[in-house]
Amino acid sequence: QSALTQPPSASGSPGQSVTISCTGTSSDVGGYNYVSWYQQHPGKAPKLMIYEVSKRPSGVPDRFSGSKSGNTASLTVSGLQAVDEADYYCTSYAGSSFVFGTGTKVTVL
Amino acid sequence: EVQLVESGGGLVQPGGSLRLSCAASGFTFTSYWMNWVRQTPGKGLEWVASIKQDGSEKYYGDSVKGRFTISRDNAKNSVSLQMNSLRAEDTAVYYCARAVAVPDYWGQGTLVTVSS
Repeated sequence: QSALTQPPSASGSPGQSVTISCTGTSSDVGGYNYVSWYQQHPGKAPKLMIYEVSKRPSGVPDRFSGSKSGNTASLTVSGLQAVDEADYYCTSYAGSSFVFGTGTKVTVL
Repeated sequence: EVQLVESGGGLVQPGGSLRLSCAASGFTFTSYWMNWVRQTPGKGLEWVASIKQDGSEKYYGDSVKGRFTISRDNAKNSVSLQMNSLRAEDTAVYYCARAVAVPDYWGQGTLVTVSS
């Protein structure tokens, strides 16, 4: 149950795009199309932003998009806004369990 | 509206026990796996335990196996986590989360502090 690997930080200016990677193994990210991404603001619960690799829940802006290639999933935030500044976590189903990413702090410059 | 409300957190001494509860509403409780996930202050998220819709299957993270027990009461739309032999490293915010393979809705969390 090793954590998925994410970069500790990412940043961009308002209006720019930022992409966060999430690297696992063939036993988790590479083996299932159940990768989700969460946004977490300080003191708040995680909020689902992307599920099943690339699907957006109702109410999530289309500035958020997800993809996967092999054992690595990615989240792209386009048209960065100040409200997007938060911690982002990926998670993947791993067969009777799930594993989280190490988390990425996104800073809007 | 999906709601998950945790309760039962607090301060407990090392070696002690605590029982967390989560009250669910706004969805068909018996259609979902339910889970506990924790977050150490300032750190990342860790899966703790999962229970199948009818309670027939339960799974635990390695760090809590043998010490924690997850259960559910489908008549009351609730899920619980019995935590025994608590250690300092169990200090965290504990979230209840609904899942379809992975979590979608989360509660607001309850803080558990293990300290003497």
